[in-house]
Amino acid sequence: DSGVTQTPKHLITATGQRVTLRCSPRSGDLSVYWYQQSLDQGLQFLIQYYNGEERAKGNILERFSAQQFPDLHSELNLSSLELGDSALYFCASSASPTGSAQYFGPGTRLLVL
Amino acid sequence: QKEVEQDPGPLSVPEGAIVSLNCTYSNSAFQYFMWYRQYSRKGPELLMYTYSSGNKEDGRFTAQVDKSSKYISLFIRDSQPSDSATYLCAMADNAGGTSYGKLTFGQGTILTVHP
Repeated sequence: DSGVTQTPKHLITATGQRVTLRCSPRSGDLSVYWYQQSLDQGLQFLIQYYNGEERAKGNILERFSAQQFPDLHSELNLSSLELGDSALYFCASSASPTGSAQYFGPGTRLLVL
Repeated sequence: QKEVEQDPGPLSVPEGAIVSLNCTYSNSAFQYFMWYRQYSRKGPELLMYTYSSGNKEDGRFTAQVDKSSKYISLFIRDSQPSDSATYLCAMADNAGGTSYGKLTFGQGTILTVHP
């Protein structure tokens, strides 16, 4: 158990809908990262927050957004969902914002029908 | 060309064998190198973390980094069936800016250790 929690574990929804994925980092970690894992693209970095502020962005679609709250938990919002958004979404956390080992949560499996 | 290249395998070895997993990379700014193990439908689990060049050993696992060749390796000694998983290499730079804490992953190598 990495200490990172994610909810829900599974999510099935329809195209055009909006979902919210939630992540709680390890105790004491200030940095939260979101990654998407698909069979064809592998693990891809989406976005990073550090102590409530956005610090880095990857190839995150404009339909996707995230935030980190004062209690350090983070939410990833996915809207106008398409079939191709079906993937595993992982949250990771680390103690410092750069160069630090990242610990991954169990993931949320999203299926868009 | 991808920034990080990893042979996807699959790799099948008998129990007790020494396993060698490798990644090459093109970004000379990478300074932090990690190996993750991922079981099917689970989150990646951090196995090894190294900074810059050199070797690091932890039990049956040894990680090597050769920055001059842009090549990293993970060795597993006395492999066990429980080691069967996908192994992912990951790297980060310290350049700040837009990359900040981002990890760039290889595609992963599927390893099966059979009894």
